[in-house]
Amino acid sequence: SYVLTQPPSVSVAPGQTATITCGGKNIGYKGVHWYQQKPRQAPVLVVYDDSDRPSGIPERISASNSGNTAALSITRVEAGDEADYYCQVWDTTSDHPYVVFGGGTKLTVL
Amino acid sequence: QVQLQESGPGLVKPSETLSLTCTVSGGSVSSGGHYWSWIRQPPGKGLEWLGYMYDSGSTKYNPSLKSRVTISADTSKNQFSLKLSSVTVVDTAVYYCARAKWLTYHYYGMDVWGQGTTVTVS
Repeated sequence: SYVLTQPPSVSVAPGQTATITCGGKNIGYKGVHWYQQKPRQAPVLVVYDDSDRPSGIPERISASNSGNTAALSITRVEAGDEADYYCQVWDTTSDHPYVVFGGGTKLTVL
Repeated sequence: QVQLQESGPGLVKPSETLSLTCTVSGGSVSSGGHYWSWIRQPPGKGLEWLGYMYDSGSTKYNPSLKSRVTISADTSKNQFSLKLSSVTVVDTAVYYCARAKWLTYHYYGMDVWGQGTTVTVS
């Protein structure tokens, strides 16, 4: 089965840029989706198809995907960005794919 | 705007079957091109996909749980349901339902989530 690897935690000072990685074998060939989950809330889709943002997601949030690593970047980090972030892909080894989540990364704003 | 709402017992005894329902509003569970998923999150841990339903009855399950999971739809009530059999304490989690769109060979992110419901096995 396909495995996604995320660092457990990332810390960044306010105003700086946070980068959260998501590693997987040839992940560059897959579409990667990213979710933000704040405490006691449901996850929210913040990036889909590697780098597209749903309406209402600020431009400070961007993402990329190439080779064996996808990455989510948040510029000008604010206290409100503190959350858990999950990457997700579809494991397309059959007509209807499996869902795979990364283990999640806790973003701490110092 | 599609909204999802989970419902069901908050407490289940070990060895029994956990049953939850997700009610869809603002859209139809019968609409093509959507995967209707169940996802759970144990306390302090990450997200685990359990399975999804599509085309009003076809299903796909997480292989690690396949023998215990059943997802089905009640199109008359615009709902889809989760049954997880033979539960143990490790099945204690927040359970979410979610929707994702799909086209032929193109699968989108899960853009609509329910608020989640806590189920304790004890």
